[in-house]
Amino acid sequence: NAGVMQNPRHLVRRRGQEARLRCSPMKGHSHVYWYRQLPEEGLKFMVYLQKENIIDESGMPKERFSAEFPKEGPSILRIQQVVRGDSAAYFCASSPGGGRTNTGELFFGEGSRLTVL
Amino acid sequence: QQQVKQSPQSLIVQKGGISIINCAYENTAFDYFPWYQQFPGKGPALLIAIRPDVSEKKEGRFTISFNKSAKQFSLHIMDSQPGDSATYFCAASRTNSGYALNFGKGTSLLVTP
Repeated sequence: NAGVMQNPRHLVRRRGQEARLRCSPMKGHSHVYWYRQLPEEGLKFMVYLQKENIIDESGMPKERFSAEFPKEGPSILRIQQVVRGDSAAYFCASSPGGGRTNTGELFFGEGSRLTVL
Repeated sequence: QQQVKQSPQSLIVQKGGISIINCAYENTAFDYFPWYQQFPGKGPALLIAIRPDVSEKKEGRFTISFNKSAKQFSLHIMDSQPGDSATYFCAASRTNSGYALNFGKGTSLLVTP
């Protein structure tokens, strides 16, 4: 009964490198959400995906950031050419999707903490 | 811009006291208002949630009060315990947005023995 699994839990990158964060949703969940958490800033919505589709990316920076949720495999949040300001905790959440099973609750992983040197 | 405003930023309460955290929102299309609890190094976890058709919901020591006309809602923690020390986030979302949550900035609660 694994929950939402995120890896890596900690990632260190130098400026200009790429960061890839992975998220496996809970079993039976088809919706994935990515949030960024900065100290004193709370959780900022980035993107909402269903299998093979981006539903809402209104919180994603226009450049360097991308997300996908392929038919097979985990969701990936990719940050190209990282800068120091990208240092944050990135949380993934999942939900079962539409219908009666969806109560609105999002189930969060334990986060991936990115440090950019 | 912050769609959900939360206060206070931090709160210290003695054991056995009542902790109160307040939130306000602007978007009248929001129809789901959860509170999440987060411990250091962990992901947020749902504590309690309310929909606008009721004005209050209670689960154990946790109560949400909801004022639709004022567009405000609050979390009350009765008989606060040291184990309640955590960061609390209010949030709001629209059902037809797939429940993508808009979070407040969080309240760091410390319950002293």
